[in-house]
Amino acid sequence: DGGITQSPKYLFRKEGQNVTLSCEQNLNHDAMYWYRQDPGQGLRLIYYSQIVNDFQKGDIAEGYSVSREKKESFPLTVTSAQKNPTAFYLCASSIRQGAYGYTFGSGTRLTVV
Amino acid sequence: AQSVSQHNHHVILSEAASLELGCNYSYGGTVNLFWYVQYPGQHLQLLLKYFSGDPLVKGIKGFEAEFIKSKFSFNLRKPSVQWSDTAEYFCAVNENRDDKIIFGKGTRLHILP
Repeated sequence: DGGITQSPKYLFRKEGQNVTLSCEQNLNHDAMYWYRQDPGQGLRLIYYSQIVNDFQKGDIAEGYSVSREKKESFPLTVTSAQKNPTAFYLCASSIRQGAYGYTFGSGTRLTVV
Repeated sequence: AQSVSQHNHHVILSEAASLELGCNYSYGGTVNLFWYVQYPGQHLQLLLKYFSGDPLVKGIKGFEAEFIKSKFSFNLRKPSVQWSDTAEYFCAVNENRDDKIIFGKGTRLHILP
């Protein structure tokens, strides 16, 4: 079955460490997105990519980095510069643009300890 | 900047009650509109979407939404809710085939058995 796989489901990180969240899709979608979900704040866009080797900052990109070396993969690195990294992170993909709607992964819950 | 407002953060209803969740957006041009649902412990799923045509859109599980352009609204409705409708609901907007979708802050719906 086609879909989006995010791993791991739960992740614990010590303060000052970088951590990378994985997102893989086998839907042959061009566009991929990373959102952060916090209680009462909805989904906020971190980064997105329309094609391989290209990506754009979203509304809350500070403290995060991404890469898009393959169409299927869009990993997110949460760096030590992110002041409040504890959150639920969602990866999504779309056929081309956001106009077509997203397919979401099951998310990664990151906790800084 | 475009924004999406969901009127209620938390709604509690009894089974068989009627439901209406409000959603307003700020963009005055052509939009594509979505409602997503997140059941407890599950990933975000598309409930319904509006691209063009009939402003009354029917989705899965008996949900429908009406696009009223003059009011910049896209309210979600269901005539009779069930306990299994307990979830968080997100309204989302894509403006004029932009690359991304903007989400509201979500409404937590709790149905009493």
